[in-house]
Amino acid sequence: RKEVEQDPGPFNVPEGATVAFNCTYSNSASQSFFWYRQDCRKEPKLLMSVYSSGNEDGRFTAQLNRASQYISLLIRDSKLSDSATYLCVVSSRGIFGSGTRLLVRP
Amino acid sequence: DVKVTQSSRYLVKRTGEKVFLECVQDMDHENMFWYRQDPGLGLRLIYFSYDVKMKEKGDIPEGYSVSREKKERFSLILESASTNQTSMYLCASSSISRDSNYGYTFGSGTRLTVV
Repeated sequence: RKEVEQDPGPFNVPEGATVAFNCTYSNSASQSFFWYRQDCRKEPKLLMSVYSSGNEDGRFTAQLNRASQYISLLIRDSKLSDSATYLCVVSSRGIFGSGTRLLVRP
Repeated sequence: DVKVTQSSRYLVKRTGEKVFLECVQDMDHENMFWYRQDPGLGLRLIYFSYDVKMKEKGDIPEGYSVSREKKERFSLILESASTNQTSMYLCASSSISRDSNYGYTFGSGTRLTVV
């Protein structure tokens, strides 16, 4: 089993939709959780950290479920500009998921 | 802002050449990482380093070595480049410890083509 797994997608949604991605991890001792966004031909950039109690940043909500060993990212009111690949990382060893591609259509 | 700088944006090398990819960060981060990214395969960790002169193998270290002589600089070395090492190479740094949670900062990448 891979240390970090994500559904590769693509998720194809209309503007205004709500979409959620999950990221499962195998190491129960993981302490650091993040979501990254990567645009085509660009480097990944930090979208948000994931805290134990869950956290929100505008239209984005991140949650951690330690019991089931996954983190989630919820995007509300999707915009065309949200189209990108979303990567999770759940360890200090720098192991990233392979990413979930989101396409938001007009 | 943390800045991670990779020395070349594009590089073309011949099979069998020794190739050096350089990465420098300016925020005194302890941890540095080298990845390669290929379509459909995501970010794959090659090597990482938690301190000067310290290195650990990632998931795909074969055909690569690294050097970290100074805290700010982490070099990736392809001892004898092969065509299957044609890829996008990304360097990252972090300052993640038990009590801090700052994430990873990436350089803009080096697209290496081995011919």
